[in-house]
Amino acid sequence: AQTVTQSQPEMSVQEAETVTLSCTYDTSENNYYLFWYKQPPSRQMILVIRQEAYKQQNATENRFSVNFQKAAKSFSLKISDSQLGDTAMYFCAFMKHGAAGNKLTFGGGTRVLVKP
Amino acid sequence: GAVVSQHPSWVICKSGTSVKIECRSLDFQATTMFWYRQFPKQSLMLMATSNEGSKATYEQGVEKDKFLINHASLTLSTLTVTSAHPEDSSFYICSALQGTPNQPQHFGDGTRLSIL
Repeated sequence: AQTVTQSQPEMSVQEAETVTLSCTYDTSENNYYLFWYKQPPSRQMILVIRQEAYKQQNATENRFSVNFQKAAKSFSLKISDSQLGDTAMYFCAFMKHGAAGNKLTFGGGTRVLVKP
Repeated sequence: GAVVSQHPSWVICKSGTSVKIECRSLDFQATTMFWYRQFPKQSLMLMATSNEGSKATYEQGVEKDKFLINHASLTLSTLTVTSAHPEDSSFYICSALQGTPNQPQHFGDGTRLSIL
């Protein structure tokens, strides 16, 4: 079974600064997908960024980028130029490639507070 | 696109009653939907995978007779909490899979269930 670990329960950052969230995972799979989801106080789950394990290039999405280290099984999220609207819970998630009905395994989450 | 609607958003009911939560994919067909449970300040726990026209697959430890799932059409899955008790109070979130495997899940806004 896969496990996803987010070691930082909570982080705070000043507006316009950068924050990096860590995520490590354990799997014996070679092909898989990794995701970062954002859950603001409204509690809707919003997909932030997605990474395919077979791609070496790190995914980026505007102010959000990842540092994917496959050998180390690490998948950190960097939020640049933090905005007040970035305040939310952030969940790292793992999905096996092609099988098991696309089940997601979530980490425990990191609460991010952006301060003005 | 890829909107998932969940209804109701909040429900309060008496202990012993049954409560039905609906999850609809509004602008796409979803052969697979997922039901999650989230306790306060915790991560999402997958309860079951719902496939259109077949029985749901429940995760270990989830009571099938307690949490009835029906996926009668390509756009609707329902979760019925039967004979609800206060310990069933939680935040329930559904998601739907659009298209072929390996695609991201699209989440509903969640349902806050409070059992008195």
